[in-house]
Amino acid sequence: GAGVSQSPRYKVAKRGQDVALRCDPISGHVSLFWYQQALGQGPEFLTYFQNEAQLDKSGLPSDRFFAERPEGSVSTLKIQRTQQEDSAVYLCASSLREGTAYEQYFGPGTRLTVT
Amino acid sequence: QKEVEQDPGPLSVPEGAIVSLNCTYSNSAFQYFMWYRQYSRKGPELLMYTYSSGNKEDGRFTAQVDKSSKYISLFIRDSQPSDSATYLCAMSGDAGGTSYGKLTFGQGTILTVHP
Repeated sequence: GAGVSQSPRYKVAKRGQDVALRCDPISGHVSLFWYQQALGQGPEFLTYFQNEAQLDKSGLPSDRFFAERPEGSVSTLKIQRTQQEDSAVYLCASSLREGTAYEQYFGPGTRLTVT
Repeated sequence: QKEVEQDPGPLSVPEGAIVSLNCTYSNSAFQYFMWYRQYSRKGPELLMYTYSSGNKEDGRFTAQVDKSSKYISLFIRDSQPSDSATYLCAMSGDAGGTSYGKLTFGQGTILTVHP
């Protein structure tokens, strides 16, 4: 009965480096969301997958951000040429069905610090 | 102006007090209203959700939604030190549309319940 897991839990990157953040959703969950939470703020939506299809990427802040979920389970959020403003906690959430707002289970997040 | 406004506090109350947390919003398309609790360095955990207007009670927690005023509240009765956390309101449109269940969060209110 594992929940959503994310790795690494903490990542320090030098400005300009590429990073990859991993999310393992709850087994069998169709929907997967990525959110970005800046210090002292609420999470902000980045992108949404329904199985392997990325149906909404309207929240990705720039073309340096890329997400994939090739087999409909594990997802990776990649940030190229990291900038200081990318420092935040990146949260992944999954839900059993598509489009359900009220049953998203969140992982612990990956705290990214760009120096 | 943000779609969802939440007073960040911080709010400090004595054990046993009734706590009132509130959010206002501007998007009339929101139909699902959630309250999450987030402990330090953890992901958000769903406390309660309400669909459309009305009240919902779960133990010491009561959620209220007034769509005519675009105002939602969470009440915590007999507050305990273990309730000390950040409380986030979150909202979403109908699942059938293009919202896909993505959540729009408030900033979060930091609550401390002291013994």
